[in-house]
Amino acid sequence: KQEVTQIPAALSVPEGENLVLNCSFTDSAIYNLQWFRQDPGKGLTSLLLIQSSQREQTSGRLNASLDKSSGRSTLYIAASQPGDSATYLCAVWLGGSGAGSYQLTFGKGTKLSVIP
Amino acid sequence: DAGVIQSPRHEVTEMGQEVTLRCKPISGHDYLFWYRQTMMRGLELLIYFNNNVPIDDSGMPEDRFSAKMPNASFSTLKIQPSEPRDSAVYFCASSGGVKNIQYFGAGTRLSVL
Repeated sequence: KQEVTQIPAALSVPEGENLVLNCSFTDSAIYNLQWFRQDPGKGLTSLLLIQSSQREQTSGRLNASLDKSSGRSTLYIAASQPGDSATYLCAVWLGGSGAGSYQLTFGKGTKLSVIP
Repeated sequence: DAGVIQSPRHEVTEMGQEVTLRCKPISGHDYLFWYRQTMMRGLELLIYFNNNVPIDDSGMPEDRFSAKMPNASFSTLKIQPSEPRDSAVYFCASSGGVKNIQYFGAGTRLSVL
């Protein structure tokens, strides 16, 4: 069974700092990996999606990398802002091709606080 | 598009009652997902549909839970009878393919007393 771990569970940084969030998974045969943010009392917002054939994806100040062989992904946030404060979750799809069934596993998330 | 729409936003019910949660996916999306989020277990995938057909319901906790998708624009998650341990936030999401980004609704917060 796929297990997804996010460390640390919580992180507090001063505004302007660059930071890295970590996600590790036990089964490297993933289909894709997705990073989300969740604001308190809200649903999830997709940040970046990395296909299994890709090494990284970038969107603005965010950069996500994927290393399947080591079972790790990182989310890099540059020049952090108070508005980045949220819980960040990674989710991993395992599965095959065609109409086969897939398994999706979420990490428990990292709660980020950016202090002004 | 208004995004994924869930109703109700909040539901408070008593143990033993039937609960029905509703979801309208983004138009044109062919995948629909139901999730449950609790502090203890985090976010769990319950079931997902492709073109209105249930593909994997292995995450559905018990027979008390059932989900339907009668057409491309509507899905329901039903709990009958409800129990206090079903209290959680239930999310619906849709995507234009398994390989594509999922868009989440705002969720339904369920409290079973």
